[in-house]
Amino acid sequence: AQSVAQPEDQVNVAEGNPLTVKCTYSVSGNPYLFWYVQYPNRGLQFLLKYITGDNLVKGSYGFEAEFNKSQTSFHLKKPSALVSDSALYFCAVSPNQAGTALIFGKGTTLSVSS
Amino acid sequence: GAGVSQSPRYKVAKRGQDVALRCDPISGHVSLFWYQQALGQGPEFLTYFQNEAQLDKSGLPSDRFFAERPEGSVSTLKIQRTQQEDSAVYLCASSDHRGIYSNQPQHFGDGTRLSIL
Repeated sequence: AQSVAQPEDQVNVAEGNPLTVKCTYSVSGNPYLFWYVQYPNRGLQFLLKYITGDNLVKGSYGFEAEFNKSQTSFHLKKPSALVSDSALYFCAVSPNQAGTALIFGKGTTLSVSS
Repeated sequence: GAGVSQSPRYKVAKRGQDVALRCDPISGHVSLFWYQQALGQGPEFLTYFQNEAQLDKSGLPSDRFFAERPEGSVSTLKIQRTQQEDSAVYLCASSDHRGIYSNQPQHFGDGTRLSIL
């Protein structure tokens, strides 16, 4: 079955420290990979995507993500966290083949303390 | 407005009532998606429209759920004879990419929070 796993329900970091939010996927073929962020009582906002090419992709608000095909991972990273980065982060996969549309992980709450 | 608009933002209904949720996508966006987001979970796909055609409804949980997009713009998700398990946030998203499998991001509305008493 196709799936996306975000193994951490919550990630806590101090402001100014680097952050990583983990994502692994189980999809056959060459999927498209996305990260979205959700603030309370709001919809999802697109951060970045991996389609093909360079394994390190850069996105909005200083975020980047590293695609690792052998480990089927797509971890979200930021060199220096801000308090305003505190939100709920979702990893998503578009299977690029017959099946459902976007498949989302269950989300990781990022808490950045000052 | 420039974004995806959903109404109402909050809806409370008694079990057994019918509800209708509206989505107004970004102007010109061909593709429209509905998702259901249960508390503490990621969104789950319900259905997909390309213009007025409903090309995929594989995620609709039962025949009580019905969606339409008659003129290829505004869409309505209707739930008949609501049950408590229907309580969730219903998200609408649109994309200017033609196709359900896309490398283009989807633009989400703020959702409708549905509570069934």
